[in-house]
Amino acid sequence: EAGVAQSPRYKIIEKRQSVAFWCNPISGHATLYWYQQILGQGPKLLIQFQNNGVVDDSQLPKDRFSAERLKGVDSTLKIQPAKLEDSAVYLCASSLVLGGVQETQYFGPGTRLLVL
Amino acid sequence: AQSVSQHNHHVILSEAASLELGCNYSYGGTVNLFWYVQYPGQHLQLLLKYFSGDPLVKGIKGFEAEFIKSKFSFNLRKPSVQWSDTAEYFCAVNRAGGGNKLTFGTGTQLKVEL
Repeated sequence: EAGVAQSPRYKIIEKRQSVAFWCNPISGHATLYWYQQILGQGPKLLIQFQNNGVVDDSQLPKDRFSAERLKGVDSTLKIQPAKLEDSAVYLCASSLVLGGVQETQYFGPGTRLLVL
Repeated sequence: AQSVSQHNHHVILSEAASLELGCNYSYGGTVNLFWYVQYPGQHLQLLLKYFSGDPLVKGIKGFEAEFIKSKFSFNLRKPSVQWSDTAEYFCAVNRAGGGNKLTFGTGTQLKVEL
């Protein structure tokens, strides 16, 4: 079974530039998550989708971050404009929904972003 | 809001030593508990999880964890570590029936020396 795919793996940009990350979840997983992991911290949930609807985006900085999952499969996360403090690893995860219960989250390799 | 504390940020052990990593959470309701591991150069992967039932859960590679509800703890243990256990370990929690949002601790970096 293929895992969660993410691209690019690394990205270096200058502050005020824009950047986009892509995620393809495990086939059949209805729920998709984006996490931000700053160095020395644990992952923090930015946004959760179920199919193509947003379940939770309470910790997404909406003035600069946006995410979409238009067809309920793959997803993109965008930052515009980027700030120095956005330097982090951006993780995508996905999970099944069985009988209305969310199952274990499976993580992708992450995109490491450095903002200069 | 729920939070997770991992008090050991860096742990160094010799091979064959016993391991216990602490994890405490703050949330008064019913929770699901997880330990994830990230080996060098690899992605986060599930080590073990507790949803309900026997509070002593066993995971992959000889790891186990015990849920002590009265102490809000979910400590990870392994009786004899190997060099290949060198990794970062994250404790995480979500509210049962709460949409599956995971709250992670800050992680513990484990180094096992030969």
